[in-house]
Amino acid sequence: GENVEQHPSTLSVQEGDSAVIKCTYSDSASNYFPWYKQELGKGPQLIIDIRSNVGEKKDQRIAVTLNKTAKHFSLHITETQPEDSAVYFCAATSPRGALNFGKGTSLLVTP
Amino acid sequence: NAGVTQTPKFRVLKTGQSMTLLCAQDMNHEYMYWYRQDPGMGLRLIHYSVGEGTTAKGEVPDGYNVSRLKKQNFLLGLESAAPSQTSVYFCASSLSGGRQETQYFGPGTRLLVL
Repeated sequence: GENVEQHPSTLSVQEGDSAVIKCTYSDSASNYFPWYKQELGKGPQLIIDIRSNVGEKKDQRIAVTLNKTAKHFSLHITETQPEDSAVYFCAATSPRGALNFGKGTSLLVTP
Repeated sequence: NAGVTQTPKFRVLKTGQSMTLLCAQDMNHEYMYWYRQDPGMGLRLIHYSVGEGTTAKGEVPDGYNVSRLKKQNFLLGLESAAPSQTSVYFCASSLSGGRQETQYFGPGTRLLVL
């Protein structure tokens, strides 16, 4: 089945710096790659997604890049703020249409 | 719209007890999913449903049953709870389940099995 690897598992940055989280996937048929943010005690919330027909997508301070040849995609957060602190999950679609998740990255933004 | 809601929020069970987790969505979505989240494991798919009256197994279905009698509700049942089922359970839904569909998650149910 689909295998999604996510790195790093923890990431600490200073406020204002950039944060990058990387994921790789194994199923070449995957064509949808969402990123979720999960705050403590809450469910995952979609923050950005990318479909296989584009290589990059931006939404204010958040951007995602996709390299289908290499089967990897990345989340970039610029000008980080303390409220960006959370666990971030990448995911890729499986053959049945469900999502296969990475194991998560715990991001800490220190003032 | 309330989106995806889950009840209860938290539950403690003894080994061998049974319970049902309820998920409801008011977005008229066809597809619904149950995931479990364990530390360091991400989210893993338990069961899913492609429409009213249909269900299918996911990655970790053993020990769970599901039912989708109404389009807006998806129930997850534990017939005989085990400590290994201590986890946080998330329900999600998507409009049509296509491979580029966004899934929307509920707030989760925290289950502790003693």
